[in-house]
Amino acid sequence: NAGVTQTPKFQVLKTGQSMTLQCAQDMNHNSMYWYRQDPGMGLRLIYYSASEGTTDKGEVPNGYNVSRLNKREFSLRLESAAPSQTSVYFCASSEVPAEAFFGQGTRLTVV
Amino acid sequence: GEDVEQSLFLSVREGDSSVINCTYTDSSSTYLYWYKQEPGAGLQLLTYIFSNMDMKQDQRLTVLLNKKDKHLSLRIADTQTGDSAIYFCAESRGSGGYNKLIFGAGTRLAVHP
Repeated sequence: NAGVTQTPKFQVLKTGQSMTLQCAQDMNHNSMYWYRQDPGMGLRLIYYSASEGTTDKGEVPNGYNVSRLNKREFSLRLESAAPSQTSVYFCASSEVPAEAFFGQGTRLTVV
Repeated sequence: GEDVEQSLFLSVREGDSSVINCTYTDSSSTYLYWYKQEPGAGLQLLTYIFSNMDMKQDQRLTVLLNKKDKHLSLRIADTQTGDSAIYFCAESRGSGGYNKLIFGAGTRLAVHP
């Protein structure tokens, strides 16, 4: 049972480059989330998807886009990376109203 | 996580009890959670409490909830070096049949001999 799988685990981008972070869950959860984690700031919600076909902005959506491709997959795209987007990104999934399961994270550095 | 507040650091001696505190702002939160993050890893759920409960005990973990003050605490009895990690408090805000988790900044627990 894989749970929540994120790829890649590490990435270095140059300013202005684009990339997509992938996330897949095998627990048949309806809700999926993208968070970023920065020192001293905890986890901040970027975007979430309550169910397949819907997405909503979280606390810090600027500079990001998401796609809920199907029930399993929820991707996060950076169209033009900036150094301020250097962070650790976590994907999570949950079934209301129970616990959220997290992936192992993607450590992104933008230089 | 600006609506959920925690102290950033706690140091305890091995074998003592640890108490990690959290305050939240949304009185309509149905569930409140404690997550643990070990170095280089994702978050793992430790325990959660329904908003209509005052206390929940699970082995070495005790969660206390004071709804009036919007205060949540996590007590770890007989703290071990393996408990060293960052602990996140989170509240669940739901509407329209789904919920989203709002996290605090995390409390780094250091356990020393």
